[in-house]
Amino acid sequence: AQSVAQPEDQVNVAEGNPLTVKCTYSVSGNPYLFWYVQYPNRGLQFLLKYITGDNLVKGSYGFEAEFNKSQTSFHLKKPSALVSDSALYFCAVSRRGSTLGRLYFGRGTQLTVWP
Amino acid sequence: DTEVTQTPKHLVMGMTNKKSLKCEQHMGHRAMYWYKQKAKKPPELMFVYSYEKLSINESVPSRFSPECPNSSLLNLHLHALQPEDSALYLCASSHLGQGPYSNQPQHFGDGTRLSIL
Repeated sequence: AQSVAQPEDQVNVAEGNPLTVKCTYSVSGNPYLFWYVQYPNRGLQFLLKYITGDNLVKGSYGFEAEFNKSQTSFHLKKPSALVSDSALYFCAVSRRGSTLGRLYFGRGTQLTVWP
Repeated sequence: DTEVTQTPKHLVMGMTNKKSLKCEQHMGHRAMYWYKQKAKKPPELMFVYSYEKLSINESVPSRFSPECPNSSLLNLHLHALQPEDSALYLCASSHLGQGPYSNQPQHFGDGTRLSIL
């Protein structure tokens, strides 16, 4: 069975501070890992993905994510948060070798960046 | 701007009405998806089409009827919906996971917000 855990419903940070949104997964094999962001009244936007190689993945809008195989984690990070980063963030995995690329989502983490 | 276009953006319908949601993409993607999303929750997969054929139906009630008339279009026909069907309906598309496309992300539209009276 595939599962993705985002342990925090809500993360609050001050603008300019670093932010971390946590994600752990339980998937058979070596999955593909994704982060998506959803702004109010919008669909999901792709931020970044981990396929293989370097454990630090850089994505859109200054976000990056660190893959840790031993801890089965894929935490999203940004060195300096912006108020405009406030949104709902979803971690997702798909099984390697699955042609349809079916996504299994975490429950989401609401990020609030206050001025 | 999203590359997956969904219409209408909002839809209010009674439980006896028939309506359709539409989705269009021109990225050459051969996989298309319908999701249902409740507020502050992750999207729930409903249907997946690959090469215009239905590949996955997540035990969705028959009052939802998907259709993929060609590789760029995806419809969701609605009939006799219930109040609990009120939600944001998202369409997504992606390359099929073969060869160089084996790890491509899904691209989402902005959804249709559906309210059932």
